[in-house]
Amino acid sequence: AQSVTQLGSHVSVSEGALVLLRCNYSSSVPPYLFWYVQYPNQGLQLLLKYTSAATLVKGINGFEAEFKKSETSFHLTKPSAHMSDAAEYFCAVSDEDTDKLIFGTGTRLQVFP
Amino acid sequence: EPEVTQTPSHQVTQMGQEVILRCVPISNHLYFYWYRQILGQKVEFLVSFYNNEISEKSEIFDDQFSVERPDGSNFTLKIRSTKLEDSAMYFCASTSGTGNTEAFFGQGTRLTVV
Repeated sequence: AQSVTQLGSHVSVSEGALVLLRCNYSSSVPPYLFWYVQYPNQGLQLLLKYTSAATLVKGINGFEAEFKKSETSFHLTKPSAHMSDAAEYFCAVSDEDTDKLIFGTGTRLQVFP
Repeated sequence: EPEVTQTPSHQVTQMGQEVILRCVPISNHLYFYWYRQILGQKVEFLVSFYNNEISEKSEIFDDQFSVERPDGSNFTLKIRSTKLEDSAMYFCASTSGTGNTEAFFGQGTRLTVV
């Protein structure tokens, strides 16, 4: 069965610092991987997705993620955090056979001035 | 920009009562989903719906739950007899395809069972 694991339920960074949110996946077939963001009192918004076209994926708001098969990882990064990046971030996986998304437990990002 | 809309944003109901959560997916989408997020926990898949029938459901989606697409625009989730543990945020989502297709989520309905 497919799954994703997000290490760290809370991450705190200073404004301008590097953001690194970790996600490891478990899949027997090449997965489709996603990062979603949830701002307070809002729904889930897609940040980026991996579909095997390129291992480095660029998303919205300056975020990017790199698919590393050898490490079964899809970590989310942003070079310089903004206050507006404070939100909950979810890694998710799906495959061709199932159209559902399987989410990780989420990481809450706090950004301090 | 097209969006998925959900109503109500917050519903409080007494244990044992029936509730219907409503969703209007993006108009040209074909696949519809319900997910839920119990406070402090991860987002969990409940059910997917395609071509007017359930395509997949999780073990959470027992006989107390049902989904319906009563017309060309609405997609509803009904809980027949609510339990305290049904308290959660319920998200509706829709996609135009499967696999790597982006799922668009609504803002959610917070259901509180008292």
